[in-house]
Amino acid sequence: DAGVIQSPRHEVTEMGQEVTLRCKPISGHNSLFWYRQTMMRGLELLIYFNNNVPIDDSGMPEDRFSAKMPNASFSTLKIQPSEPRDSAVYFCASRPGQGASGELFFGEGSRLTVL
Amino acid sequence: GDSVTQMEGPVTLSEEAFLTINCTYTATGYPSLFWYVQYPGEGLQLLLKATKADDKGSNKGFEATYRKETTSFHLEKGSVQVSDSAVYFCALRRSGGGADGLTFGKGTHLIIQP
Repeated sequence: DAGVIQSPRHEVTEMGQEVTLRCKPISGHNSLFWYRQTMMRGLELLIYFNNNVPIDDSGMPEDRFSAKMPNASFSTLKIQPSEPRDSAVYFCASRPGQGASGELFFGEGSRLTVL
Repeated sequence: GDSVTQMEGPVTLSEEAFLTINCTYTATGYPSLFWYVQYPGEGLQLLLKATKADDKGSNKGFEATYRKETTSFHLEKGSVQVSDSAVYFCALRRSGGGADGLTFGKGTHLIIQP
């Protein structure tokens, strides 16, 4: 079975540019999560969706960040405008229905560098 | 709020040494506990889990026991290999289920030397 698929794997952009990260969760999983990983702060939960509906976006750092999930098989995380401090690895993860034990299945991440 | 504290790394050991990575947590109720492993350039993979007190999770020679009285979930392995070099994350999920995410520790970088 295919796992969580993220694209791009690497993105280098200049400050002020728009960045869009993409995620395809595992088929049949009901919940989708976006995490950001940095050396200083570790793994931070940015936002999660349940059945395509955003449930908690309190981890989104500021209005420059937005996330959408138009259908069960696709989600985007957008940063506009990007800043150097946004440089990080962004992970998408999915989880089966609410009766599951809680395990998250992670993609390989998108490494973002903002110059 | 919920939190997970792990020992700081990097931890450097020789092959076949005994490994312990400490993890303690703060959470209300009875969270589920997890250890994830991240190899270079990859995403996080579940290593083991425990969902109630005194449960022992195990996988690939690694073990961890859910200790409610000490709010701990220490990771152990009797004889490490070079291939175990990775970053290890302890995590919890608050009790009650729902669609919330996992709270992670900051990770412990493990280096195994031949």
